Amino acid sequence: EVQLVQSGAEVKKPGESLRISCKSSGYSYTSYWISWVRQMPGKGLEWMGNIDPGDSYTTYSPSFQGHVTISLDKSISTAYLQWSSLKASDTAIYYCARSLGILQFDFWGQGSLVNVSS
Amino acid sequence: SYDVTQPLSVSAALGQTARITCGGDNIGIKNVHWYQQKPGQAPVLVIYRESYRPSGIPERFSGSNSGNTATLTISRAQAGDEADYYCHVWDSKTAVFGGGTKLTVL
Repeated sequence: EVQLVQSGAEVKKPGESLRISCKSSGYSYTSYWISWVRQMPGKGLEWMGNIDPGDSYTTYSPSFQGHVTISLDKSISTAYLQWSSLKASDTAIYYCARSLGILQFDFWGQGSLVNVSS
Repeated sequence: SYDVTQPLSVSAALGQTARITCGGDNIGIKNVHWYQQKPGQAPVLVIYRESYRPSGIPERFSGSNSGNTATLTISRAQAGDEADYYCHVWDSKTAVFGGGTKLTVL
């Protein structure tokens, strides 16, 4: 059974760093890209970027380039999304999703809520 | 960058047909995928590559894509179909989502 299991909710202060995770199981990990998708409160889906577990190559949306870092640990089939300095505007639910290259996102994680507040 | 446009809301009477559009420049040459998202839940793939349904998705869900418009069609709409629906395409190696359409079943 394919599963993408994300880390739990986080409450952080502005300026703090954070790394959230997405652990995959039930499929050949290096065959599917992992994307991260942001959903701000009451808003739509925004693609942030992805990583190819085959070679760790990353692609970022211009809107998120330089603001977040996507990485992975292939040995534990886990992808990460990290911030070095959070802002209140980073408050959102973040989803990971897999795709076979530039095709559909066929499985999604359950989402990780990040709340940034002073 | 490539943009796709969806109506903010669509309504359909119970048992009738709902159509949700996704507009983009020559979108007919792209693969279009559709996701359903209910409140408090992660998105779920309902149509991929214009017209294919993943296992477990009812035949009532169908899709088409031509010219500048892709369409998700939900036949015999049910109360359980009320949700936000998003279209998705790739522009080069960048994913693009539509703004989402809220479907109300009356």
